[in-house]
Amino acid sequence: EVQLVESGGGLEQPGGSLRLSCAASGFTFSSYGMSWVRQAPGEGLEWVSTITASGRTTYYADSVRGRFTISRDKSKNTLYLQMNTLRAEDTAVYYCAKERWGDGYNFDYWGQGTLVTVSS
Amino acid sequence: DIQMTQSPSSLSASVGDRVTITCRASQDISNHLAWFQQKPGKAPRSLIYDASSLQSGVPSKFSGSGSGTDFTLTINSLQPEDFATYYCQHYDTNSPSFGGGTKVEIK
Repeated sequence: EVQLVESGGGLEQPGGSLRLSCAASGFTFSSYGMSWVRQAPGEGLEWVSTITASGRTTYYADSVRGRFTISRDKSKNTLYLQMNTLRAEDTAVYYCAKERWGDGYNFDYWGQGTLVTVSS
Repeated sequence: DIQMTQSPSSLSASVGDRVTITCRASQDISNHLAWFQQKPGKAPRSLIYDASSLQSGVPSKFSGSGSGTDFTLTINSLQPEDFATYYCQHYDTNSPSFGGGTKVEIK
């Protein structure tokens, strides 16, 4: 059974940093691209970032490029999102999502999400 | 970037009704479209991918159609557990995006 479990969310001040983690199990982690998608309170879904199965290529939404860094550790079956220079508008539930076939943005499984709140 | 427009943004329906939600892309995305269901406080759940392929384990009362720019999600015989928000998403480019969502409420 595929499981994705996010952690690392919390309250952070504007300008601060957080690192989110997504522990994966139930599939061959190194064979699939992985992504982060966020949802601001009461709002819709917004794609944030993707990393390919190999980890060699990353993609970012314009809203986070230069501030967020996605990475993965195949030895720990874990996906990360390093979030720097946080802004109030980064407040959201952050979900990790698995690609269906390999590399891409066709998501078949999602984690339960972790809440990030940016406020002074 | 490709914009995804869903309509309606909300609808009221009764148990047993057939419901149709539409999603329009601002440019041709072939069949690179997915539909998700989300209930309050929960993660999105995959329903449909490649515009019309049913996710394993999803009841056949859910169906998707369309290609190019216009897509439809149909839910037959609406049940209490189907009241939720539904999102479409394109994955045609390296900047995927979601529609604004359609909230299906009980009439």
